[in-house]
Amino acid sequence: NAGVMQNPRHLVRRRGQEARLRCSPMKGHSHVYWYRQLPEEGLKFMVYLQKENIIDESGMPKERFSAEFPKEGPSILRIQQVVRGDSAAYFCASSPPGQWSYEQYFGPGTRLTVT
Amino acid sequence: GENVEQHPSTLSVQEGDSAVIKCTYSDSASNYFPWYKQELGKRPQLIIDIRSNVGEKKDQRIAVTLNKTAKHFSLHITETQPEDSAVYFCAADTGGFKTIFGAGTRLFVKA
Repeated sequence: NAGVMQNPRHLVRRRGQEARLRCSPMKGHSHVYWYRQLPEEGLKFMVYLQKENIIDESGMPKERFSAEFPKEGPSILRIQQVVRGDSAAYFCASSPPGQWSYEQYFGPGTRLTVT
Repeated sequence: GENVEQHPSTLSVQEGDSAVIKCTYSDSASNYFPWYKQELGKRPQLIIDIRSNVGEKKDQRIAVTLNKTAKHFSLHITETQPEDSAVYFCAADTGGFKTIFGAGTRLFVKA
């Protein structure tokens, strides 16, 4: 059973470009979460999605950031018109469906560098 | 809003000693408390978790305690080893699937 996959692992973008980060959850998992981690800091919740639904996006900046988890294919975190402050590691995690909270399995992260 | 405070931010211990990391949470609806270990450049990985209907849980050298009344929980690592050196994150989850993480504790175990 493959773990959570993220690609690319490293992404370099110039200011003003768009960044697309992909996350494939573990097989059987229907919940996807995105976190941002700045250097030497903790994990900041951005968004929680289920298939075709955004459940909680309270941690995501209102402008330039969007996320989706389509019926088919990976979840995408999209950052438009990137700025230097967007440089960070972006982790996605997945968990199985259910009423009780479950362990979140993290992907290896995408390290975004904005030059 | 929900908040999780974690202390200390840095902890240095001698190999073989114990390490204790403490967290407090603000949302009384929180019912699941995982702890993650993150080695440099790697992904966070769950090391132990506890649910609100349990006061203590142990797994070999790692134990977690939960005090619901005081809204705090702690991670205890006994007989520390150099490979325990990492950043440790506590987290609290209300069951609404939104997990709030503490800021992390950087643990150094000196050989």
